[in-house]
Amino acid sequence: GQNIDQPTEMTATEGAIVQINCTYQTSGFNGLFWYQQHAGEAPTFLSYNVLDGLEEKGRFSSFLSRSKGYSYLLLKELQMKDSASYLCAVKDSNYQLIWGAGTKLIIKP
Amino acid sequence: IAGITQAPTSQILAAGRRMTLRCTQDMRHNAMYWYRQDLGLGLRLIHYSNTAGTTGKGEVPDGYSVSRANTDDFPLTLASAVPSQTSVYFCASSDSVGSTDTQYFGPGTRLTVL
Repeated sequence: GQNIDQPTEMTATEGAIVQINCTYQTSGFNGLFWYQQHAGEAPTFLSYNVLDGLEEKGRFSSFLSRSKGYSYLLLKELQMKDSASYLCAVKDSNYQLIWGAGTKLIIKP
Repeated sequence: IAGITQAPTSQILAAGRRMTLRCTQDMRHNAMYWYRQDLGLGLRLIHYSNTAGTTGKGEVPDGYSVSRANTDDFPLTLASAVPSQTSVYFCASSDSVGSTDTQYFGPGTRLTVL
């Protein structure tokens, strides 16, 4: 079966750095996406990786290792508004997104 | 530009009733999707449409139907609602279905079936 694993919840301090991990087992791989979802709102796109390595976008970076079936999202200089759930999703061989359950990130002052 | 709109925002429905959730996008995207999101689970694909006039079944299609008569609209119908269909429903769209195509989401419909 297809599976995306990420921690259920993480806590970090304002101004710090946090790394959210995602491991996947899917039938085929056509890219990995990270989305942010604030409580009661829709998911919004953060980043996309299809090749191994690091993609940096401001305070957010995303890393992919296809051989290990592994990705992480790195958030720097955390702000209170970063409190949200972060969803990892992989596009499988049918180009459909398989979603993890999400990691709820709690930022403390 | 509104992006994707969904209606209603929320609804309480009696079991056995028929309900249509509406979804409209103004981005001229070819592909559209319906997901449900339940606590502790990832988003699960119900139905999708790669282009107007075509639809396909996702991971959890039972009890749901869709149509795609034009590019902009992609309604989801529950023929006879059951309590297990209580969920938050998100409509999404993407330019096409390639590997780089990003899905953009509507604001969601919170449905409670009693």
